[in-house]
Amino acid sequence: QSVLTQPPSASGTPGQRVTISCSGSSSNIGSNTVNWYQQLPGTAPKFLIYSNNQRPSGVPDRFSGSKSGASASLAISGLQSEDEADYYCTAWDDSLNRVVFGGGTKLTVL
Amino acid sequence: QVQLVESGGGVVQPGRSLRLSCAASGSTFSNYGMYWVRQAPGKGLEWVAVIWYDGSNKYYADSVKGRVTISRDNSKNTLYLQMDSLRTEDTAVYYCARDNWSYARGALDSWGQGTLVTVSS
Repeated sequence: QSVLTQPPSASGTPGQRVTISCSGSSSNIGSNTVNWYQQLPGTAPKFLIYSNNQRPSGVPDRFSGSKSGASASLAISGLQSEDEADYYCTAWDDSLNRVVFGGGTKLTVL
Repeated sequence: QVQLVESGGGVVQPGRSLRLSCAASGSTFSNYGMYWVRQAPGKGLEWVAVIWYDGSNKYYADSVKGRVTISRDNSKNTLYLQMDSLRTEDTAVYYCARDNWSYARGALDSWGQGTLVTVSS
């Protein structure tokens, strides 16, 4: 059972905008920033978003993040077939003193 | 650019031991906390263990507590995971990941390619 809650699946058509949610509690998302990772099939996770809405160098601006209270969202605009992947959210947890993970969301591009 | 390379995975019988290694290059290893994260076949990411940059603190997932030891040798830029009393449910790809607080607490900005551990009789 993951500490952060994500929907197991999401889908969209090319060009569409999709969002993936991530909910937590006051000890993690409620008091710390959220990070997002993309995992393409058969590969290691890739660092996608940090501090709720910042993109590391090289990440397209089609990817954006937001946070409100103890929930966060990842948005992907102009959806492309290569965006088909699993997406995970994480946040620092002040009670556990470590990173906590969401269960992951499988994004399908129809 | 940091590079993390895991090794040590393989096929092992239940109850046996295995030691995984994660060799880091391209950055000052001793500045960063390090994680082991695993992924069972067809499943999501599961945090396994974390060690502070200086080895002063270590935390373990309940699923491995008492059977696994995380350690690091900053002089060798290497992270370790000693796994004892292995169970079939430990079968997974094991990733090491760097916690880069210059981005944010808990921002795992670099990941290794993973090493597969298969526990089977």
